[in-house]
Order: sequence, then structure tokens, then C-alpha cells
Amino acid sequence: NAGVTQTPKFQVLKTGQSMTLQCAQDMNHNSMYWYRQDPGMGLRLIYYSASEGTTDKGEVPNGYNVSRLNKREFSLRLESAAPSQTSVYFCASSEDRAPLPIYGYTFGSGTRLTVV
Amino acid sequence: SQKIEQNSEALNIQEGKTATLTCNYTNYSPAYLQWYRQDPGRGPVFLLLIRENEKEKRKERLKVTFDTTLKQSLFHITASQPADSATYLCALDDSTGGSYIPTFGRGTSLIVHP
Repeated sequence: NAGVTQTPKFQVLKTGQSMTLQCAQDMNHNSMYWYRQDPGMGLRLIYYSASEGTTDKGEVPNGYNVSRLNKREFSLRLESAAPSQTSVYFCASSEDRAPLPIYGYTFGSGTRLTVV
Repeated sequence: SQKIEQNSEALNIQEGKTATLTCNYTNYSPAYLQWYRQDPGRGPVFLLLIRENEKEKRKERLKVTFDTTLKQSLFHITASQPADSATYLCALDDSTGGSYIPTFGRGTSLIVHP
């Protein structure tokens, strides 16, 4: 099925460990995004990539890095995990932002990360 | 500061009734507004997008209105069904800075009772 695929679905890390969350889309979208969702906080943008080769910070980028590997793949890396990074992480993609999107954003099913 | 407000209390309604959810915003000049559905343990799913120059948009049992004067969007589900039970998120873009990154509200939970 066409869409956004995230791996892994679940992960438990110890404080200080590193890991990379993977995201791939097969809809030929140019723009990709990483969000985190916490209870009572809603979805908050971490980083986004408007096109292959470009990345920009979102609302909460501290403690994260991203790589737009190619048009399909956009990864999120935690270099030294902290308990405050316990969250559900969603990757999303969209068609070009100019002109304005018509079909909204397509989200993956999420990665549930716990840092102990 | 910019703010998107959705009712944090769950909306409980009986099957067959119309559900109306509200999204209010301040200090935004959105080019468009989106509504998403999110089921537990799943990612949000896009439902409808309405542009700033559109007053109303419909899709099957769904209707969205957008009042840029009141800074409010209403999301209606007519003839609601228990399967409509989910959390509904609104999202809007702030076009003033030249970017179109959506900011999401915290969502309102809808519970449709049979």
C-alpha cells in the first residue's frame, strides 16, 4: 500500500544511548516532516525537509538531527537519548507546498519511544 | 503568541445526531486549515482542507466551515456512527512568514454512543 512507512514501531532506550528512526514514503512527495506527540501537548514539529537536500528546524529541534537521504527517505537521529524524549514520533509527507497542498499530509503509523 | 484551541473535553453524542467540533485560533493568518482524524495508536489521517477564501467544504457526511473574521473553523459530522469515534485534530498554516508548515491543535475526542 502506498504511504509512509516508519521503523521501528517500538523502542526502549537507556539514557545516553543513540538511535535512528527511519521513514520512507512512496508517493513521490517532495516535503517530509518529523513530529512528536505527547499527552496534552499535541503534535509538535521537530524538523522538516522541503525538498531533497534541504532540512530546517521546527518548533522543538534540540536533541535531534535529521538526514534527507534521498527523495523517499527522511531519518531522525537521537544522539544521546534523554527521558524527556520519551514520546510517539510521527513522520509525514506532503506534495509541494507551492502551490498550496490539496491532499493534506500523509502520516506514518508512528514509533513509540521510551527512554529510561 | 500564536494559539490553536480545540475543546479538550470529550464530546459525547448519540448515534444519528450531528457532531460539531470547534477550532479557534489567535494570531494566525492561515492560508488554509485542515482537519484530521486520529485513532488510538495510529497516525493522523487527513480528512478535509479548506482555503481562506472558502466558506464551506463538504465531503460525504463531513462539513467544514471557515470564518476568518471569527478566526474559527467548525467541523460537522452528520448522521454520526459509533465508527466515527476518534480524536479530531485541526491544523493550520501561518502564511505570514512565507512558510506553510502546519501547526496542530491538541484535538478533541468524539465518542458516539449506539
